[in-house]
Amino acid sequence: SAVISQKPSRDICQRGTSLTIQCQVDSQVTMMFWYRQQPGQSLTLIATANQGSEATYESGFVIDKFPISRPNLTFSTLTVSNMSPEDSSIYLCSVEDFLLAGFNNEQFFGPGTRLTVL
Amino acid sequence: SQQGEEDPQALSIQEGENATMNCSYKTSINNLQWYRQNSGRGLVHLILIRSNEREKHSGRLRVTLDTSKKSSSLLITASRAADTASYFCATDAGQNSGGSNYKLTFGKGTLLTVNP
Repeated sequence: SAVISQKPSRDICQRGTSLTIQCQVDSQVTMMFWYRQQPGQSLTLIATANQGSEATYESGFVIDKFPISRPNLTFSTLTVSNMSPEDSSIYLCSVEDFLLAGFNNEQFFGPGTRLTVL
Repeated sequence: SQQGEEDPQALSIQEGENATMNCSYKTSINNLQWYRQNSGRGLVHLILIRSNEREKHSGRLRVTLDTSKKSSSLLITASRAADTASYFCATDAGQNSGGSNYKLTFGKGTLLTVNP
């Protein structure tokens, strides 16, 4: 499996500010995803980070609020913009790659970024 | 409707006992995966079972899949305190085209507590 790191691991932010979360993979991967996990809840897919093009967002998530970059096959960032307390969540990136998983679409997750917005 | 709903929501057992968690889903799937999450950290991939498989084993884990009932179960045998975690099932209903965009839909999870 791939080794995935995220920065920061946790942060406490003020309302109205923005935070950029980084996801780094130790090998080139085809697909990268960003998920949100609100307190006590399950994971919800925010978007698919596409290399060299705009991210594909799920219903309920928009680019202005969650801009995503993916400049290459090993790195992606998610920005949480104009934060409010409702954005307090764990944000996780995940990867999927044919070379890692073959025809199984196993997704491997980073350790997550725990965000608290005051 | 919620895809991938686990039950029970919480399970407390003694060390050495077996733990069984169930997952139900509503639409056709390509495969179903189980993940573990320790105390709000990242997810650890446990096992994947394809839609044409009925049972799979990995160490102390046993997963079954019943596509006619749209349900899966995860059995952890001889549980240990270190198994204390939240367990999630995730389903994929995408097209199998090798490395393409698969969207995983997660259930709400079962919180397993194994008491020493």
